[in-house]
Amino acid sequence: NAGVTQTPKFRVLKTGQSMTLLCAQDMNHEYMYWYRQDPGMGLRLIHYSVGEGTTAKGEVPDGYNVSRLKKQNFLLGLESAAPSQTSVYFCASSYSILRNYEQYFGPGTRLTVT
Amino acid sequence: AQSVTQLDSHVSVSEGTPVLLRCNYSSSYSPSLFWYVQHPNKGLQLLLKYTSAATLVKGINGFEAEFKKSETSFHLTKPSAHMSDAAEYFCVVSKMDSSYKLIFGSGTRLLVRP
Repeated sequence: NAGVTQTPKFRVLKTGQSMTLLCAQDMNHEYMYWYRQDPGMGLRLIHYSVGEGTTAKGEVPDGYNVSRLKKQNFLLGLESAAPSQTSVYFCASSYSILRNYEQYFGPGTRLTVT
Repeated sequence: AQSVTQLDSHVSVSEGTPVLLRCNYSSSYSPSLFWYVQHPNKGLQLLLKYTSAATLVKGINGFEAEFKKSETSFHLTKPSAHMSDAAEYFCVVSKMDSSYKLIFGSGTRLLVRP
């Protein structure tokens, strides 16, 4: 089991460029999440998905879009990158309520926008 | 609404001495509470979780936490710190709705002196 994987690990963008971050999980989880981590602020939820074909907004959704076309994949898109989106991005996935909400995290993507 | 407060942004201990990382929570319902650890440049790993069973929860690597409803606390402890424990620790509460969203504290960085 690879668990949760993220692609790419690092990326540098110029302001206004676009990119897509890919998250994949091989645990057959229904729920998937995208977070960003900024110094001193813990993790903040950007978007999440409760199943294939569904997405919903989290705490800080502005400037991001997501898609969940396949159960195992959750994509995070930045259409026009801004320096404020410089951050470390984490993807996570979880089982249903029967597993008491534990989330499994990927290794992160470090994004710098210049 | 649920929330968590980590009372110390940094904690420094000597190797072999006890560790105490403090967390207070706010929740209208009996919460699910977690501690996650993040080593430098790594993703988050679950240390332990409380889900309304035993109030004293044992986790990996010798860590444990005690749920105290009267004090609304969920402090993380370890009897004897090891150099490999140096990391950032997050106290987390789960939202009690169908999204299973996690709410993160701002983190406590644990430094272990030789």
